Amino acid sequence: AQKITQTQPGMFVQEKEAVTLDCTYDTSDPSYGLFWYKQPSSGEMIFLIYQGSYDQQNATEGRYSLNFQKARKSANLVISASQLGDSAMYFCAMRQDQTGANNLFFGTGTRLTVIP
Amino acid sequence: GAGVSQSPSNKVTEKGKDVELRCDPISGHTALYWYRQSLGQGLEFLIYFQGNSAPDKSGLPSDRFSAERTGGSVSTLTIQRTQQEDSAVYLCASTFQGNTGELFFGEGSRLTVL
Repeated sequence: AQKITQTQPGMFVQEKEAVTLDCTYDTSDPSYGLFWYKQPSSGEMIFLIYQGSYDQQNATEGRYSLNFQKARKSANLVISASQLGDSAMYFCAMRQDQTGANNLFFGTGTRLTVIP
Repeated sequence: GAGVSQSPSNKVTEKGKDVELRCDPISGHTALYWYRQSLGQGLEFLIYFQGNSAPDKSGLPSDRFSAERTGGSVSTLTIQRTQQEDSAVYLCASTFQGNTGELFFGEGSRLTVL
């Protein structure tokens, strides 16, 4: 069963606008972590933001924020004030703390294109 | 360098040949992961090393794939009798115990099997 689902294969956003990239997850572990990574065309994976399942506040890192809705099992990434350099693949990932604790499960990714 | 280092960055081989991919993790990182990323796809977990514990090999797709980690540092992923479906980017990542689980990735080794 797919543990991480990213339903948007591609997204477009106008420069300086905000964009939301969707991610839903599936786990029965009460403790887990959610991550977003960026992969530009150069190929490296760049960590963006982390949300723990027990965190009360939504995580924020600069222009990135994570809209964590635990009951809906969603962890959408919001990028504010988009820049041309934000064009990349974005992957959502989950770590389960009880089962499969050694592994990060990744979604299939969303390709974001920022339009000037 | 300070980051995860992988070599070779590109490898072209003929079907049936063996290949070795190397990963040098960040100094002090006890955990090391190998992932595979096929063209346009997400990351597929292959294997995980943590300190001196037995590795988690649950993601290896067949017995043609193996990996070792010597001295708790450098790791080698070996693919025997390569097949065309093995063509992918092989990503290595490391992390340390006690953090949130963020992985630090290398730039990958692109394998092409002709």
